Amino acid sequence: DAKTTQPTSMDCAEGRAANLPCNHSTISGNEYVYWYRQIHSQGPQYIIHGLKNNETNEMASLIITEDRKSSTLILPHATLRDTAVYYCIHYGQNFVFGPGTRLSVLP
Amino acid sequence: DAGVIQSPRHEVTEMGQEVTLRCKPISGHDYLFWYRQTMMRGLELLIYFNNNVPIDDSGMPEDRFSAKMPNASFSTLKIQPSEPRDSAVYFCASRSLGTGFGKLFFGSGTQLSVL
Repeated sequence: DAKTTQPTSMDCAEGRAANLPCNHSTISGNEYVYWYRQIHSQGPQYIIHGLKNNETNEMASLIITEDRKSSTLILPHATLRDTAVYYCIHYGQNFVFGPGTRLSVLP
Repeated sequence: DAGVIQSPRHEVTEMGQEVTLRCKPISGHDYLFWYRQTMMRGLELLIYFNNNVPIDDSGMPEDRFSAKMPNASFSTLKIQPSEPRDSAVYFCASRSLGTGFGKLFFGSGTQLSVL
């Protein structure tokens, strides 16, 4: 049964890097890993995706291990507005989201 | 680009009444998804369509729920009769392969309260 595993919650100090891990050991070779976040009461918002190489955009960086069984989303300088639930997902999950990681950025 | 548009934003109804939620996906997107979110169960996939055809409705909780997509620009999720346990936020999302495989765009949701 394809699924991802993430910590239930994490804290991060404002201005520091937030590193959010995800295990996706059932991912297939051609499946991308996607990250979304959901700020309270809003719909989930796409952040970044990757296949095997590390990726960076204006929102975050994504590090994928060589065996592709896990990845880490990095918010380089977390702000209070980054407080949200973060989800990682891959297509083998058939668009089913897990519970995600609740990130709290603390002042 | 207006994004995915859902209506109404809030719906309050009484148990037993019919409820219809509406969604307009982003133009050109060929997949449409309906999700339900509650504190207890998190974000649940109810059903999704590809080119207006339902592909997977295994997440629809029971026969009281039905979804249609009569054309590429409109979808409805209907609950008849509604029950208090249906109270949740219902999200619609659309996806286009051209924008990245699996990249979903979500609407703002409909907050449903069944009294």
